[in-house]
This record gives sequence, C-alpha cells and structure tokens, in this order.
Amino acid sequence: GDSVTQMEGPVTLSEEAFLTINCTYTATGYPSLFWYVQYPGEGLQLLLKATKADDKGSNKGFEATYRKETTSFHLEKGSVQVSDSAVYFCALLRDDKIIFGKGTRLHILP
Amino acid sequence: DTEVTQTPKHLVMGMTNKKSLKCEQHMGHRAMYWYKQKAKKPPELMFVYSYEKLSINESVPSRFSPECPNSSLLNLHLHALQPEDSALYLCASSQDYGQGGGYTFGSGTRLTVV
Repeated sequence: GDSVTQMEGPVTLSEEAFLTINCTYTATGYPSLFWYVQYPGEGLQLLLKATKADDKGSNKGFEATYRKETTSFHLEKGSVQVSDSAVYFCALLRDDKIIFGKGTRLHILP
Repeated sequence: DTEVTQTPKHLVMGMTNKKSLKCEQHMGHRAMYWYKQKAKKPPELMFVYSYEKLSINESVPSRFSPECPNSSLLNLHLHALQPEDSALYLCASSQDYGQGGGYTFGSGTRLTVV
C-alpha cells in the first residue's frame, strides 16, 4: 500500500543552520504531496504542497520539490529560527485519503 | 474566515460521562474530518463527512458517535470512553473530499479520560 517515510527525529540544529528533513513515498501514480507543521500544543498547519512532478512548494522560507524519479519530497530551509521548532509531517493524498509520515521533531537552539 | 474552530480546547471526563466535541468552519468546505492523534504519533483518520453524509468510518468504536448537523458544523459525541481514548482530537475540512489542495486543521481538543 501507499506509505510515507521520513527521517527519524529529533533533529537539533543551531539558529541560522541549514535544514533538510528527508521524505520519501511509495505510491502508484502521482499523488499530491504535502508538508504539515505542528507547533507545540496546536493542530496541524499546511506548510506547503506540490501536486505534480517537478513542482516546487514554498512557504515561510521552506521549500520542497516533488521528485518523481527518486519518489522524494525533502523539506529544506536555508536559515532556521528558534520559532521553527515544531513537528513536521510529510504526507500524500491518495484515493481520497491523507497518509502521514511518522513526523520529525525539530529543535532549534538559540 | 479561513479557520477551523474547535471547542473545547481541553476536556477532562470520567468513563461514565457523556460529552461532545464541536468543530465549525465557514469556508464553504463540503468535506469535514475527525482525526485522533496520540502523543508523538501522526494523526489517524476516524470519520469523513462529505456533503453532510458520513462517507468513511475507519472502524471506530461506537463509543464515538459523529454528527454533522449542517455543512458548517461537525460534532463528535463521546460516551463511556476508556483511558486509552485520551488523545488530541483534530477536526479538519477541505473543499471537497479528496481535494488535492490540502486540508485545513483546527487546533484540536485535548481529551483526558480519567
């Protein structure tokens, strides 16, 4: 079945460091791909999305590119801030259902 | 209005209590969802309503009873819950069921069953 695999956390970085959170997926066809972010004590917020191969989603300095050849959708940010500390979920939409990865907890140290 | 509003934010209930969680959106979305999220886990789908009709029930125990009174409201009625039902309950909505643009989530109700 369809699935999403993301790197295990927690990931701890210093402020202004470069961030990559890896995400790969298994699915037939071309699902839509998403990154959601969950700040402490809150619900999920859609961070960015891509609906077809080679699309690049971007928001708040974060970027991810839909790579069909490597079935990947890695999340990147050039300079992280303390306020980026949160849990990040990679997800795909397939057959009318969202499938989430297990989440990656990100800690940014000042 | 681009939000999904959930009330209450926190709820503590005994195993014999009856309570309800409420979810509201005014974005004109026609699909609404209930998710359950345990600590350090991704959300798990419970129910999907599409055009006010129950489309999916992910084999959820009958002690959870969803209700969709109109296109803007979604309730989750709780009765005879168990301590293991303690979790964050998230409501979400989307333009249509399975729409590729993504879901809008509420902030959730943190439920503790004692």
